Amino acid sequence: NAGVTQTPKFQVLKTGQSMTLQCAQDMNHEYMSWYRQDPGMGLRLIHYSVGAGITDQGEVPNGYNVSRSTTEDFPLRLLSAAPSQTSVYFCASSPRRLSYEQYFGPGTRLTVT
Amino acid sequence: EDKVVQSPLSLVVHEGDTVTLNCSYEVTNFRSLLWYKQEKKAPTFLFMLTSSGIEKKSGRLSSILDKKELFSILNITATQTGDSAVYLCAADDRGSTLGRLYFGRGTQLTVWP
Repeated sequence: NAGVTQTPKFQVLKTGQSMTLQCAQDMNHEYMSWYRQDPGMGLRLIHYSVGAGITDQGEVPNGYNVSRSTTEDFPLRLLSAAPSQTSVYFCASSPRRLSYEQYFGPGTRLTVT
Repeated sequence: EDKVVQSPLSLVVHEGDTVTLNCSYEVTNFRSLLWYKQEKKAPTFLFMLTSSGIEKKSGRLSSILDKKELFSILNITATQTGDSAVYLCAADDRGSTLGRLYFGRGTQLTVWP
């Protein structure tokens, strides 16, 4: 049981490039979410999903897309990277509603130059 | 404006000291308050509090919620160097059926030997 896995661990992008951060969980959780964490800040919700085929926006969705074709996977796409997207990204899953105990992945540290 | 405010932002103590971390919140439809510990990687769940006045305890850590005054405290007794981490609290807003977690900026606790 791997829990929540994220790839890559580190990534450097140039402004304007696109990429996908991968997230997978093997706990059969319906709820998954993406957060970003900036220095001195708490976690801010980007997008979330309550099941395969259902996604919605969180607090800071601009510049990001998500899809949920399976229960296990919830990738986050950066359409055209900007320096303001430099951050640490965490994927999380939970067995019940979003705000129940969440299981976090190890994070992806993204730098946009 | 932050919906969840933690204090202090940073705290340095010596092993054996007792610390109290504070978390105040202001969400419209409060459901629960969660505490997480983050040690340079993904946050790990500590407590979820839903009822006022009922202390939750795990080893040297304990937490209590005051729904009238809209705050929670996390106590750590006989601190150890392994307690050094960022402690995050999050308020669950049940404004939507899915719930929404609003995180504070965290308290950076450093425990010196």
